Amino acid sequence: RKEVEQDPGPFNVPEGATVAFNCTYSNSASQSFFWYRQDCRKEPKLLMSVYSSGNEDGRFTAQLNRASQYISLLIRDSKLSDSATYLCVVNFNTNAGKSTFGDGTTLTVKP
Amino acid sequence: NAGVTQTPKFRVLKTGQSMTLLCAQDMNHEYMYWYRQDPGMGLRLIHYSVGEGTTAKGEVPDGYNVSRLKKQNFLLGLESAAPSQTSVYFCASLAGGSREQYFGPGTRLTVT
Repeated sequence: RKEVEQDPGPFNVPEGATVAFNCTYSNSASQSFFWYRQDCRKEPKLLMSVYSSGNEDGRFTAQLNRASQYISLLIRDSKLSDSATYLCVVNFNTNAGKSTFGDGTTLTVKP
Repeated sequence: NAGVTQTPKFRVLKTGQSMTLLCAQDMNHEYMYWYRQDPGMGLRLIHYSVGEGTTAKGEVPDGYNVSRLKKQNFLLGLESAAPSQTSVYFCASLAGGSREQYFGPGTRLTVT
């Protein structure tokens, strides 16, 4: 079993749709959690950190459930520019900042 | 600030050749990382460094060596390239106590 698993996707949605991505992690000692965005043939960039209390940044909402070892990302009112691959990232050792990446979920938003 | 830069951007090697990938960051970050990304997959950690003069193995270190002689530079070496090392290589850096890794633009390596 992979340490970080994501919905296989791809997700193809119309503009304005709401879409949710899920991610599970296997190490209960995991300490910090993130969603990164990666555009085609580009480097990953931090989209948002994920906190236990849940957090929101505009149209994006991230949730963490430590008991179920589950992370989610909700995108409301999808835009064409949201088309990208979304990577779930988990850190098990914040002292070294080492991260484990999920394989990513690809989102295509269509007009 | 240039952020994180990688050299070269593209390279084609023949099996058995060697090469060094250079990563440089101008943000005075303590931690630096080398990842590889294969098609349809997430990033896998090759080696990392928590400070100048220190390196450690990541998830997939075999066939690679690294050095961090200066804080701003992290070099990834392939001593004898194999087709299985065809991949996109990303370097990243992180400030101590921070949460966000900053990535370079990647090096696309093909080994024939």
